[in-house]
Amino acid sequence: EVQLLESGGGLVQPGGSLRLSCVGSGFNFRSYAMSWVRQAPGKGLEWVSAISGSGDSTYYADSVKGRFTTSRDNSKNTLYAQMNSLRAEDTAVYYCARDQVRGGSYSGIFHYWGQGTLVTVSS
Amino acid sequence: DIQMTQSPSTLSASVGDRVTITCRASQSISSWLAWYQQKAGKAPKLLIYKASSLESGVPSRFSGSGSGTEFTLTISSLQPDDFATYYCQQYNSYSWTFGQGTKVEIK
Repeated sequence: EVQLLESGGGLVQPGGSLRLSCVGSGFNFRSYAMSWVRQAPGKGLEWVSAISGSGDSTYYADSVKGRFTTSRDNSKNTLYAQMNSLRAEDTAVYYCARDQVRGGSYSGIFHYWGQGTLVTVSS
Repeated sequence: DIQMTQSPSTLSASVGDRVTITCRASQSISSWLAWYQQKAGKAPKLLIYKASSLESGVPSRFSGSGSGTEFTLTISSLQPDDFATYYCQQYNSYSWTFGQGTKVEIK
């Protein structure tokens, strides 16, 4: 059974930093691209970033480019999001999501999702 | 970025009703469209991809159609478990975007 478990969320002040983690199990982690998708309270879904299976390619939404860095450690089956210069508008539940297509490249279809971790940016 | 617009934003329907949700893209995305269902407090669930391909395990009362810029999600006979929010998402380009969501409520 595919499982994704996020952690690392919490309360942080504006301008601060936070690192999220997502551990995958039940599948060959390195064979799939992974993404972060967020959802502000009461709002819709927003794709944040994606990383290829090997980790050598990343894409970011304009809203986080230059502030967030997505990486992965395939030896630990873990996806990361390093979030710097956080703003109030970054407050959201952050989901990690696995791509649908095996092979490590991007299909852009979010096949499996974690349960999410809440990040609150407030003073 | 490609903008995705769903209509309606909210839909009130009864069990057994046929329900249709529309999603429009700001430019052609061929058939690179997915639909997700999200229940309150839960992660989204993939229903349909490539505009009309049903994800494994999803009931056949769900169907998708369309190409280019206009797409629809249809629930042929609404069931109690279907009351949720539905999102379309384009994956035509490496800046994936979602529609704003359609909430299906009990009438």
